[in-house]
Amino acid sequence: DQQVKQNSPSLSVQEGRISILNCDYTNSMFDYFLWYKKYPAEGPTFLISISSIKDKNEDGRFTVFLNKSAKHLSLHIVPSQPGDSAVYFCAAPIDVKLIFGTGTRLQVFP
Amino acid sequence: NAGVTQTPKFQVLKTGQSMTLQCAQDMNHNSMYWYRQDPGMGLRLIYYSASEGTTDKGEVPNGYNVSRLNKREFSLRLESAAPSQTSVYFCASKSGRNTDTQYFGPGTRLTVL
Repeated sequence: DQQVKQNSPSLSVQEGRISILNCDYTNSMFDYFLWYKKYPAEGPTFLISISSIKDKNEDGRFTVFLNKSAKHLSLHIVPSQPGDSAVYFCAAPIDVKLIFGTGTRLQVFP
Repeated sequence: NAGVTQTPKFQVLKTGQSMTLQCAQDMNHNSMYWYRQDPGMGLRLIYYSASEGTTDKGEVPNGYNVSRLNKREFSLRLESAAPSQTSVYFCASKSGRNTDTQYFGPGTRLTVL
């Protein structure tokens, strides 16, 4: 039973364009969401989060949108840069644990 | 501030061998976690320790044991390694509130032959 789903395993975007990474969840009790970024041979690092009392949170080139009625969130990266090439995980906390999606590999090409 | 450190970085075992993966954090965090990452499977929780003195099973605990040695250290033991345990293992820690960020170590790449 996968409570957090990332249905696109990979995404390829040209430098300067927008990258949109999607995440769906099934547990309506989730009230906070996080995005992590992972480079090869490194641990995941926190990128941005959003509380369910908001529908948008912005941090520089990164914006996360939350649609509670659809149980869907998305991460927008504008403009995309080659250094953004990484695996992106969405996650939601339950108690002290984090439930992760399976990740989307983003490749930004020149 | 080193954050979360893990040793070793790489390890090759033969089936049936045992080993312990070490993790330490210097952020005075209450909670610590062990995950494994496999292609197409994301990050799956093996065991966690919500606070010093407690440990609990995660999603995939079979074949593993853990020890929360003190507030800083949380080790993962494979008693009898199997090829299915070939994976990348990450340790993480966080302060304690649900919305707190988890901080991850650099990972241990384990191959079981």
